[in-house]
Amino acid sequence: SAVISQKPSRDICQRGTSLTIQCQVDSQVTMMFWYRQQPGQSLTLIATANQGSEATYESGFVIDKFPISRPNLTFSTLTVSNMSPEDSSIYLCSVEAVASGRFFGPGTRLTVL
Amino acid sequence: DAKTTQPPSMDCAEGRAANLPCNHSTISGNEYVYWYRQIHSQGPQYIIHGLKNNETNEMASLIITEDRKSSTLILPHATLRDTAVYYCIVRLRMDSSYKLIFGSGTRLLVRP
Repeated sequence: SAVISQKPSRDICQRGTSLTIQCQVDSQVTMMFWYRQQPGQSLTLIATANQGSEATYESGFVIDKFPISRPNLTFSTLTVSNMSPEDSSIYLCSVEAVASGRFFGPGTRLTVL
Repeated sequence: DAKTTQPPSMDCAEGRAANLPCNHSTISGNEYVYWYRQIHSQGPQYIIHGLKNNETNEMASLIITEDRKSSTLILPHATLRDTAVYYCIVRLRMDSSYKLIFGSGTRLLVRP
């Protein structure tokens, strides 16, 4: 299995600012994904983080609001830009490990005031 | 556009079997059924997956109907630690991989 860490684990931010969330995996993975989980809701897929190219966004999510980087096979970042209280959620990184399946990180709990 | 339907909540007694149903009537022939669970404030945990045959592992059993339009996750001897939200997911094929689209899940409460 893959061990995934996310930083920060939680943060409280002011409206209008941006926060970058890091996802680090302990082994090379083929695919990396970012999800959002709003309070009391299920998980919603934001985008697929592609190594060396632009991320692939799901309907309702755009690069200007959620820029994503993936410089190598074990690391990705998600930035939540120009935040508003509606962005308060848990953001989760997910990876596809070769011959091991799909795993999820512990999540980053974001509160926007 | 989750392709699964689950009851919003269920409960069972500790030590008894928990049977969690899922409907996926629009599933395609090559789409797998996955089950994950999420214990409060943690990332989802993989449980089991299957295509058309019944599957069993150390955590649970998965029973898929012959027409593949529904399935049941069975936790044979539920414990209090099994209290969680259980997600039934149909794996959607991408170009070179696949994506997991979560539905609303079933909140399982295991009673002492």
